[in-house]
Amino acid sequence: QKEVEQDPGPLSVPEGAIVSLNCTYSNSAFQYFMWYRQYSRKGPELLMYTYSSGNKEDGRFTAQVDKSSKYISLFIRDSQPSDSATYLCAMSYGGSQGNLIFGKGTKLSVKP
Amino acid sequence: EAQVTQNPRYLITVTGKKLTVTCSQNMNHEYMSWYRQDPGLGLRQIYYSMNVEVTDKGDVPEGYKVSRKEKRNFPLILESPSPNQTSLYFCASSRDPTSDSTDTQYFGPGTRLTVL
Repeated sequence: QKEVEQDPGPLSVPEGAIVSLNCTYSNSAFQYFMWYRQYSRKGPELLMYTYSSGNKEDGRFTAQVDKSSKYISLFIRDSQPSDSATYLCAMSYGGSQGNLIFGKGTKLSVKP
Repeated sequence: EAQVTQNPRYLITVTGKKLTVTCSQNMNHEYMSWYRQDPGLGLRQIYYSMNVEVTDKGDVPEGYKVSRKEKRNFPLILESPSPNQTSLYFCASSRDPTSDSTDTQYFGPGTRLTVL
C-alpha cells in the first residue's frame, strides 16, 4: 500500500461548481498536511497547509484533515476556470517544510 | 523577488554523457531538495540538504549526486544518465524543515530532461 493515495482524475466540472479533492494515507505519524497547486509547465505552489486534525479556510478554499480516518480533503467553492490545474496533496512527519510525501496529483478542469 | 531558479529548463542528451542541473535560491533558505515528477508516479524526492555540506538521500537517489558547498546553490549531477532518468525535475527550498512555521516550500520552474 502506498503511503499517500490520490485519485489522479481527470476531474472536469462546470464553472461555479463545488470541487472536492481527497487523499488517504497509511502512516499515522504524519503531522502536517498540505495542498499544492501546479499549473501546466510550472512548479508546485503551496495552496493550503494544516497541522494535525481540523479545518482551515482561505477564501474559496477549505482544507480538512481527519486523522482518525487518515483522510484529507480540499474543497473549492465557486470554482473558476483559473482553478484548472493539478492539485497535489503532501504530508510530512515533522515540521511543515520537511521531507514531503506527495500524492500523485488530481488534474482538475473547470469549464466556463 | 524571492525565487528558485533552475538551469537549463530543457535538456536533451545521450546515454552516458555527464550533466549537471543547477539550482539556486535567493532567500537564504537552509533546506533544499530535488524531486522528479513522472506521469502516474507523482513527485518523488531524490536528495535533500538541511544545510551547507549536509546532504541525504531521498526516496529515489540511485543514479544521482548532489553537493551543497554554498547555501544558495544545490546542483544535481547525473554522472552517467540513462533513459529511465528522462523526467521533469524540480528543485525546492524552504527556511527550516524542522519548524512549524507557515513558510512555504518554494519550487523552481522545473527542468525537462530527455535522455536518448
